[in-house]
Amino acid sequence: QVQLQQWGAGLLKPSETLSLTCGVYDVSFSGYYWSWIRQPPGEGLEWIGEINHGGITNYNPSLKSRVTISADTSKNQFSLKLSSVTAADTAVYYCARGPARITIAGVVIMGFDPWGQGTLVTVSS
Amino acid sequence: DIQMTQSPSSLSASIGDRVIITCRASQDIRNNLGWYQQKPGTAPTRLVFTGPRLQSGVPSRFSGSGSGTEFTLTISSLQPEDFATYYCLQHNSYPLTFGGGTKVEI
Repeated sequence: QVQLQQWGAGLLKPSETLSLTCGVYDVSFSGYYWSWIRQPPGEGLEWIGEINHGGITNYNPSLKSRVTISADTSKNQFSLKLSSVTAADTAVYYCARGPARITIAGVVIMGFDPWGQGTLVTVSS
Repeated sequence: DIQMTQSPSSLSASIGDRVIITCRASQDIRNNLGWYQQKPGTAPTRLVFTGPRLQSGVPSRFSGSGSGTEFTLTISSLQPEDFATYYCLQHNSYPLTFGGGTKVEI
């Protein structure tokens, strides 16, 4: 069964860089896109960006200037860095498999499944 | 960006009720929409994805329909474990966007 396990610092000061990593277990990293999604307390979901095993990334324009998503395929991991954080970046951050998988026939849209357990990141001085 | 408008934002229902949640896209997204369920303190889980196809293991009382700009998630007979918040997600074009959520309460 595919599992995603994420880790990283949960308390940051304004202007610091958020850094989270997601480990992928029991499935090949290649063949899929991998995403980060966040949810401010009591609010809805926001897609942050994605990466595939070839290192191709797509970011939400609302965060693009501050976001970097990278992957270490040898470790089956991918990471999120968000620079210059403010209180508005306080949220639960999730990693997830998706939104697509790569087949011989091309890219197949599948949505997000499964998700990591989530990490609450609080930005406070 | 494609705006996803979900309605209602919350609803009260009873066990056995038929529940319908609607999601409207600001432009045509074909059938590239999914539905997710989130219970308090946990990550969302996928219910329905492009097709609309039911996620393996999801009870058949859940169903998704629609294409273009109007979509619905129907729960045919509400069960105690269905009380949760539901989100739609369009994955037709970047940036991917979620609806604002519908909280289903007793």
